[in-house]
Amino acid sequence: AQSVAQPEDQVNVAEGNPLTVKCTYSVSGNPYLFWYVQYPNRGLQFLLKYITGDNLVKGSYGFEAEFNKSQTSFHLKKPSALVSDSALYFCAVRVYNNAGNMLTFGGGTRLMVKP
Amino acid sequence: GAVVSQHPSWVICKSGTSVKIECRSLDFQATTMFWYRQFPKQSLMLMATSNEGSKATYEQGVEKDKFLINHASLTLSTLTVTSAHPEDSSFYICSARSGVPEAFFGQGTRLTVV
Repeated sequence: AQSVAQPEDQVNVAEGNPLTVKCTYSVSGNPYLFWYVQYPNRGLQFLLKYITGDNLVKGSYGFEAEFNKSQTSFHLKKPSALVSDSALYFCAVRVYNNAGNMLTFGGGTRLMVKP
Repeated sequence: GAVVSQHPSWVICKSGTSVKIECRSLDFQATTMFWYRQFPKQSLMLMATSNEGSKATYEQGVEKDKFLINHASLTLSTLTVTSAHPEDSSFYICSARSGVPEAFFGQGTRLTVV
């Protein structure tokens, strides 16, 4: 069974500082990894994905994430946080060639960026 | 990216009535759509997988007779909450894939049963 853990319920960072939102996963095959962002009363917006290739992937709004196979992690990062980045972030995993094609989500991390 | 539209954005209904939520893929065909439920400050819980032209696959613990799913076309899936009760109040979100690995999500529906 696949699972995703986001160890931090909330991350606080000052505007302009770098941010990291942590994610670790557990799968039995090769993972497809995703980050999504959710604003209040809205659905999820896709940020970025790792499928294969370069371990550092870049996504929307200046976000990037690094795939680390040995640590089974896929942490989300941004060099300089904006107040508008404040939202709920979800990490998700899908196993390659999983016939069910379903995503498994982490519990979510609330990012608070203060001016 | 692909666009998934969900309607309505919010709905208030009386206890005992039924509510239908629509999920449409606007610029692609989706043979499979997914329905999630999200409780306040919690993650998304997969309720069911909706397959065009066939019965939905429900996750364990989800009542198929209460949460009716219909996927009549390649661009539309509906979730009907039947005989709604206050405990059904929640945020419901649909998603679909368009042939790329990532899924695209509707904007969600806030259901309040009074």
